[in-house]
Amino acid sequence: EDQVTQSPEALRLQEGESSSLNCSYTVSGLRGLFWYRQDPGKGPEFLFTLYSAGEEKEKERLKATLTKKESFLHITAPKPEDSATYLCAVQAYNYGQNFVFGPGTRLSVLP
Amino acid sequence: KAGVTQTPRYLIKTRGQQVTLSCSPISGHRSVSWYQQTPGQGLQFLFEYFSETQRNKGNFPGRFSGRQFSNSRSEMNVSTLELGDSALYLCASSFETDGNTIYFGEGSWLTVV
Repeated sequence: EDQVTQSPEALRLQEGESSSLNCSYTVSGLRGLFWYRQDPGKGPEFLFTLYSAGEEKEKERLKATLTKKESFLHITAPKPEDSATYLCAVQAYNYGQNFVFGPGTRLSVLP
Repeated sequence: KAGVTQTPRYLIKTRGQQVTLSCSPISGHRSVSWYQQTPGQGLQFLFEYFSETQRNKGNFPGRFSGRQFSNSRSEMNVSTLELGDSALYLCASSFETDGNTIYFGEGSWLTVV
């Protein structure tokens, strides 16, 4: 059965303290891995799509990487406005647009 | 460019009633999918529509249904509401189906009392 796990469940960082979030997945035929950011009471906001092992994408203080078993979201010198829940999702070749989401990592960045 | 629009944003219903939620996708997007988000289960796939046809369906009872119109707008309906149906219902759209990034709306908060 395809599944996605994320760790840690929650993470508290001081402003400027860099760290990484992990997304581990088991899927039969990965079509794509997606990262989203979700603020309380709002819908998920798209961040990155990764398609193959070794691929990396960057946006401001965020960098996403992908291996055959997991993906990392690296946050460099975070700011309080980076506080949110970060969701990882995978899409398999036989699923159409059915994305399987992980439980998320709740990030808090303290000033 | 306008994003995905969902209405209503908040609603309260009584057990046994039915509810219809509406979604307008990003202009030009033809695929619309629906997700249920709860604290306990996270984001779970309900169904996807493309060119007015349901392409995929998640593991939800038949009380959950949907449809898509010729202008790509979509509605989902939940009949005979149960307390456990209280959740954030999210609509997402993409240009095509099969592999495209999906973009979410702000969601409809449903509370069943």
